[in-house]
Amino acid sequence: NAGVMQNPRHLVRRRGQEARLRCSPMKGHSHVYWYRQLPEEGLKFMVYLQKENIIDESGMPKERFSAEFPKEGPSILRIQQVVRGDSAAYFCASSPTPQRLGTIYFGEGSWLTVV
Amino acid sequence: KNQVEQSPQSLIILEGKNCTLQCNYTVSPFSNLRWYKQDTGRGPVSLTIMTFSENTKSNGRYTATLDADTKQSSLHITASQLSDSASYICVVSAPLGTGGYNKLIFGAGTRLAVHP
Repeated sequence: NAGVMQNPRHLVRRRGQEARLRCSPMKGHSHVYWYRQLPEEGLKFMVYLQKENIIDESGMPKERFSAEFPKEGPSILRIQQVVRGDSAAYFCASSPTPQRLGTIYFGEGSWLTVV
Repeated sequence: KNQVEQSPQSLIILEGKNCTLQCNYTVSPFSNLRWYKQDTGRGPVSLTIMTFSENTKSNGRYTATLDADTKQSSLHITASQLSDSASYICVVSAPLGTGGYNKLIFGAGTRLAVHP
C-alpha cells in the first residue's frame, strides 16, 4: 500500500519539548497539506507545500510552528516548545497536482499528546 | 467569511434505514464540493467530489447532491450498515489565487451512529 504515510502515529511530549511529525506523500505526489483536528472539531488547514516551497501557510500559528518539504525526504511539521493546547491529531494529505479538481489523499494522522 | 456548516451534528439510526446529511456553505468563489468519511481514529476518505455544474453524484450507497444556487449539499446514505458509523465531512474547495491552487474548507462533520 503506497498511501500517505505518517509517523509517528502517536507521540507524547512534555510541555516545552519539541514535536516532529513526518509525512511521506503518495508516490508521484508533489503537493502536501497539513491539517490539525482538535477533539470534537473539524479539520483546520495549516499549511500547503510543494517540493521545497511553501505555497500557503495562512493556517499556521505565527510562533513555534514550522513546516518543510525538502527536495528529498518526507515533509516535516515541527512544533517547538509544545503546550497543552497543541494536543491534537495532525493529518497530512497529498495530491499529484494542485487539488483544484482532483482528490487529495489523507494519511492516518499523528496524535500528539502534550503532558 | 468562508464557512461550511453541517447538520445535524450527530445522528443515530437503525441498521437498514436511510438518512440524509446536510451541508450549507458560504464559500465564494467556489470550485468544488467534496464529502469525506472519517472513521474514529483514522484519516478522512473521499466519497464524492462535485463541481458547480454537477447536481448529483453517487458512490455505491452514497448519493451526494449539490445546489450551487442555494449553496446547499446533501449526502444520502441508503440501506445503512453498521460500518457506516463514522463522521461525514463536507469540504468546499475555493481557488487560491490564479495558479490553480485551492484551499479546502472543512465542515465540523456529522457523527453518524448506526445501531443494530
